[in-house]
Amino acid sequence: TQLLEQSPQFLSIQEGENLTVYCNSSSVFSSLQWYRQEPGEGPVLLVTVVTGGEVKKLKRLTFQFGDARKDSSLHITAAQTGDTGLYLCAGSNSGGSNYKLTFGKGTLLTVNP
Amino acid sequence: EAGVAQSPRYKIIEKRQSVAFWCNPISGHATLYWYQQILGQGPKLLIQFQNNGVVDDSQLPKDRFSAERLKGVDSTLKIQPAKLEDSAVYLCASSPRPNQPQHFGDGTRLSIL
Repeated sequence: TQLLEQSPQFLSIQEGENLTVYCNSSSVFSSLQWYRQEPGEGPVLLVTVVTGGEVKKLKRLTFQFGDARKDSSLHITAAQTGDTGLYLCAGSNSGGSNYKLTFGKGTLLTVNP
Repeated sequence: EAGVAQSPRYKIIEKRQSVAFWCNPISGHATLYWYQQILGQGPKLLIQFQNNGVVDDSQLPKDRFSAERLKGVDSTLKIQPAKLEDSAVYLCASSPRPNQPQHFGDGTRLSIL
């Protein structure tokens, strides 16, 4: 069973601060996805990283996939209250029609005004 | 495009009762997923359909859970009889093909008394 460990589990910061959350595994994934989930809603895909060492930027969010494709990080610059939510990472392994996502438990981020 | 539709949004039942959830995926999406998200955890895949066939139901508790997607479009997930540990949010997701990004509905929050 492939497991994804996310840290920290909870994070509360002030608006304007920077933060990094982590997603680690002992298994290799063919790709890794980051989602944000707000209360009462389903997860929304932010980014997919595929290549080891890949860095992707989405406005103030920077995503990195580890060289060995076992870990990833999400860095947020100058956090805003709208960034509040549950950040989930999910790893996948290509398996033809049996493509499966394994989710971590998430990091619950609260950005205070 | 319209998103993934789920109903009901909330359901409260007593243990040992039965309950059913409905999902209408995005039009044209051949792959449909049901996930269980227990409070404080990430989504866990219960079952994956490709059109009207089951691809993966390895984590579905088949003694009490069942799911169908008879015409390859809408899907229903049923629990009979419900147990206290089934309290969770049940998320439906769809994608055009198995290795394409998944789009999630807002889920059904189930509470077992």
